[in-house]
Amino acid sequence: DAGVIQSPRHEVTEMGQEVTLRCKPISGHNSLFWYRQTMMRGLELLIYFNNNVPIDDSGMPEDRFSAKMPNASFSTLKIQPSEPRDSAVYFCASNRQGNSNQPQHFGDGTRLSIL
Amino acid sequence: QKEVEQDPGPLSVPEGAIVSLNCTYSNSAFQYFMWYRQYSRKGPELLMYTYSSGNKEDGRFTAQVDKSSKYISLFIRDSQPSDSATYLCAMSALLGTSGSRLTFGEGTQLTVNP
Repeated sequence: DAGVIQSPRHEVTEMGQEVTLRCKPISGHNSLFWYRQTMMRGLELLIYFNNNVPIDDSGMPEDRFSAKMPNASFSTLKIQPSEPRDSAVYFCASNRQGNSNQPQHFGDGTRLSIL
Repeated sequence: QKEVEQDPGPLSVPEGAIVSLNCTYSNSAFQYFMWYRQYSRKGPELLMYTYSSGNKEDGRFTAQVDKSSKYISLFIRDSQPSDSATYLCAMSALLGTSGSRLTFGEGTQLTVNP
């Protein structure tokens, strides 16, 4: 079975540019999570969706960050304008929410470098 | 104080050793406990998943949860060089169908030397 698919795997861009990260969750999963991982702060939850609806975006650092989930099989995380401090690895994860919470499965991440 | 505390290591052991990794937590609402393994430049991979207190064994791996002490452990028997990775504990409270937040430890970096 295909896991969570993220693209691109690596992104290098200059500050001020718009960055769009993409995620395809596992088929049948109805919750999707965006995380950021840095050496200093570890894994931080940015936002999560349930049935394509944003449930909690309290982890989104600033208005420069936005996320959408137009359908059950696709989500984007956008940074505009990007800054060097946004450099990190961004992970997408998904699971099936229901009467019991199933563990989250992660993609391999997008390594973002803002110059 | 962080909700989940995990010693970041690094931890270095010889091949064949028994490895013990631990996390403590402060939120008594946590009911689901997970261990993820993360290789360099890869995403976290679910290793063990337990609900409430008790032990769970899967091959060389054993997860223990002691809710009274708010303490969870992962034991690796007969450790192998391929076990070299960062191990992250994670936990969540049951929030029904509205979704759930995972709270992660900062991860322990393990190296198993041949």
